Amino acid sequence: AQTVTQSQPEMSVQEAETVTLSCTYDTSENNYYLFWYKQPPSRQMILVIRQEAYKQQNATENRFSVNFQKAAKSFSLKISDSQLGDTAMYFCAFMIDSGNTGKLIFGQGTTLQVKP
Amino acid sequence: SAVISQKPSRDICQRGTSLTIQCQVDSQVTMMFWYRQQPGQSLTLIATANQGSEATYESGFVIDKFPISRPNLTFSTLTVSNMSPEDSSIYLCSAAQGWSTDTQYFGPGTRLTVL
Repeated sequence: AQTVTQSQPEMSVQEAETVTLSCTYDTSENNYYLFWYKQPPSRQMILVIRQEAYKQQNATENRFSVNFQKAAKSFSLKISDSQLGDTAMYFCAFMIDSGNTGKLIFGQGTTLQVKP
Repeated sequence: SAVISQKPSRDICQRGTSLTIQCQVDSQVTMMFWYRQQPGQSLTLIATANQGSEATYESGFVIDKFPISRPNLTFSTLTVSNMSPEDSSIYLCSAAQGWSTDTQYFGPGTRLTVL
């Protein structure tokens, strides 16, 4: 069975600084997808970034980038130049490429607070 | 990306009653899903809503408790039946436009409190 672990329940960062959120996963599959979603206090889940396991290049989206280490089964999210609007709960999620299920498996989440 | 809305946004219900949650997508999508997020916890997939056929339920979730409909490619409902306080959660709908491995976009959720 696949599992996703986020070991940091809460983190804080000063505005304009950089923060890294950790995520590890366990799977015997070779083809899969990894995601980071953001859930602000308003509750709407928003996709931050997506990584295909077959791609060696780390995905980036503006101030957000990932460090994907397939052998170590690690998928951390780096937020650069943190902004107050980045305050939210961040979920790491995993999806296998087989079975046509579309099932997302989520980690427990990390609450990030950006301080002015 | 798809824009997803849910109704109601929140509700407070009495034990033993049922609530139907609606999920509307602004474009046709291949796949729709229902997740539960218990207070302070992560999201768990309840079921995949299949258009024109019965939903596919995850382990621990059954059709009698969580009947799901999906009459077309833009709409789905989830009913929480015979509710108990343990059903108090946020229920989220998501959708993927193409393949099952396409990115899922989420609705704003329905916060349910059962007294």
